[in-house]
Amino acid sequence: DADVTQTPRNRITKTGKRIMLECSQTKGHDRMYWYRQDPGLGLRLIYYSFDVKDINKGEISDGYSVSRQAQAKFSLSLESAIPNQTALYFCATISLSGELFFGEGSRLTVL
Amino acid sequence: AQSVTQPDIHITVSEGASLELRCNYSYGATPYLFWYVQSPGQGLQLLLKYFSGDTLVQGIKGFEAEFKRSQSSFNLRKPSVHWSDAAEYFCAVGVSGGYQKVTFGTGTKLQVIP
Repeated sequence: DADVTQTPRNRITKTGKRIMLECSQTKGHDRMYWYRQDPGLGLRLIYYSFDVKDINKGEISDGYSVSRQAQAKFSLSLESAIPNQTALYFCATISLSGELFFGEGSRLTVL
Repeated sequence: AQSVTQPDIHITVSEGASLELRCNYSYGATPYLFWYVQSPGQGLQLLLKYFSGDTLVQGIKGFEAEFKRSQSSFNLRKPSVHWSDAAEYFCAVGVSGGYQKVTFGTGTKLQVIP
């Protein structure tokens, strides 16, 4: 099994719908991240969490919210999806040595 | 805030040829530097990292990178490229010391031709 698991892997939805992307990890790391990848823009940080009580906004948090349900679970929500949120979303954890471990990504299409 | 520039969006090399991917960073202190690779349809995998010490670091799959403080660069190299190296490569800079944030460059897509 993968160390970082994201669900769903692919999702097509309509404008205005609420969407949740879920992430779970078995690495035992405290720190978890949500990134968004767009062609030509690289990965941009949406939110990050250092433990269940510590959640921080990244560079592009508008339109997104997160929930850290447990050390191993970190969910990303789009309360009212819009087409420019169409992207590939990655969850990641980070080791004490600074290495990020990524899930396989969740491809979201908003029509 | 830290930033990373990868000036080459797309690079094409012949199989067996050498490769150098450029990366420049901006950060006020000594950075933590990384190279990640993303194969099609996959997440990102760490190739190598630099925290301190020897400025030439070795990674997986035969890759190496050299940290040059004077040039704010951390270029990735491989002496002989294989077709399986075709992927997108991301340079990243990390900030540690209590809060670990990693900022990525925009990526360089590598095409390998026979």
